Amino acid sequence: NAGVTQTPKFQVLKTGQSMTLQCAQDMNHEYMSWYRQDPGMGLRLIHYSVGAGITDQGEVPNGYNVSRSTTEDFPLRLLSAAPSQTSVYFCASSFNRQGAGELFFGEGSRLTVL
Amino acid sequence: GQQVMQIPQYQHVQEGEDFTTYCNSSTTLSNIQWYKQRPGGHPVFLIQLVKSGEVKKQKRLTFQFGEAKKNSSLHITATQTTDVGTYFCAGPKYGGGSNYKLTFGKGTLLTVNP
Repeated sequence: NAGVTQTPKFQVLKTGQSMTLQCAQDMNHEYMSWYRQDPGMGLRLIHYSVGAGITDQGEVPNGYNVSRSTTEDFPLRLLSAAPSQTSVYFCASSFNRQGAGELFFGEGSRLTVL
Repeated sequence: GQQVMQIPQYQHVQEGEDFTTYCNSSTTLSNIQWYKQRPGGHPVFLIQLVKSGEVKKQKRLTFQFGEAKKNSSLHITATQTTDVGTYFCAGPKYGGGSNYKLTFGKGTLLTVNP
């Protein structure tokens, strides 16, 4: 089973460039979310979605956009990358709402912004 | 707002020693989850605790949820090198309507000296 698939695994950007981190899940989960992980900061929620067409902000949404046109896909867009967005990004999905059941994480996307 | 605090931040043990990490919330939690992240890997769900005073065991791991549902602990008996990684607790934060956001502690990094 594929589970949650993230691409790319590694990316280097220059300040001001844009890019999209892709996330797809094949478990028919309604709930999907994006987290960023920085040293000593744990996992911080960027955006989440409770179903196709419905998204909401997490703790650290600034500088990121999301959309959810299908149940399977939840891309994360950086419109103008900044060095502060250097991080490891994890996409996660769950059958239940956040906190009500297991979160399944992708393998992560390591982003460096120069 | 709700915060989930986790201590210690780091713990180094000799193989065979016990290990405990503690999680404290500023507000009452409906439930709490624990995840493990191996170095270079992604978080993997371990368990969810729901009931006040609940204790669950998974082989050498013992999870507890406090009576007031504001704190939790993970205890590992006789650590092994395979236990190395960062252990996170996470609790749901109400996000309005029927939405909840899973808030993670900063994690405890466990290293084991063989």
